[in-house]
Amino acid sequence: EDKVVQSPLSLVVHEGDTVTLNCSYEVTNFRSLLWYKQEKKAPTFLFMLTSSGIEKKSGRLSSILDKKELFSILNITATQTGDSAVYLCAGYNNNDMRFGAGTRLTVKP
Amino acid sequence: NAGVTQTPKFRILKIGQSMTLQCTQDMNHNYMYWYRQDPGMGLKLIYYSVGAGITDKGEVPNGYNVSRSTTEDFPLRLELAAPSQTSVYFCASMQGIYGYTFGSGTRLTVV
Repeated sequence: EDKVVQSPLSLVVHEGDTVTLNCSYEVTNFRSLLWYKQEKKAPTFLFMLTSSGIEKKSGRLSSILDKKELFSILNITATQTGDSAVYLCAGYNNNDMRFGAGTRLTVKP
Repeated sequence: NAGVTQTPKFRILKIGQSMTLQCTQDMNHNYMYWYRQDPGMGLKLIYYSVGAGITDKGEVPNGYNVSRSTTEDFPLRLELAAPSQTSVYFCASMQGIYGYTFGSGTRLTVV
């Protein structure tokens, strides 16, 4: 059965800290791994990773995929209070995505 | 603005009532999805569609039905509402490699 497991489930840090969020996956016919940020409403797209070892960056966020270990990480450097959210990862096969339960990140001033 | 539109934004149903959650997208996407998200949990796939006239079950289809008569619309039907269906429902569409576009969600409470 396909599954996506994220850790930790919740994390509390202070502004300026660096955090690493983890995502392991077992998805049949895996095509890509996606990261989303969810604040109060719908998730918003962050990254899509298809190839191993190629880091994707967007400002203070970066992510990388290891297809051998079936693992991905999302790094956030110099965290800000606006980074507080639930971060979801999802494994995509040819038809749909399986989501993890999310990591709830709280950044304190 | 182009995107995925869900209605209603919230609804309270009594046990046994029926309702339809509406989802419309104007991006001409072939793939559309319905997810539910329970508190503190990730999104679980209810149904999905790869094009007009084609639907398939996801992880948690029981108690729901869908139809896809046009590319734009993908309504989700609850026939006999149960408290276990209290959740936030998200519709999404996708075309290509840039992930989903989500609707703003429908918060449903069954009492």
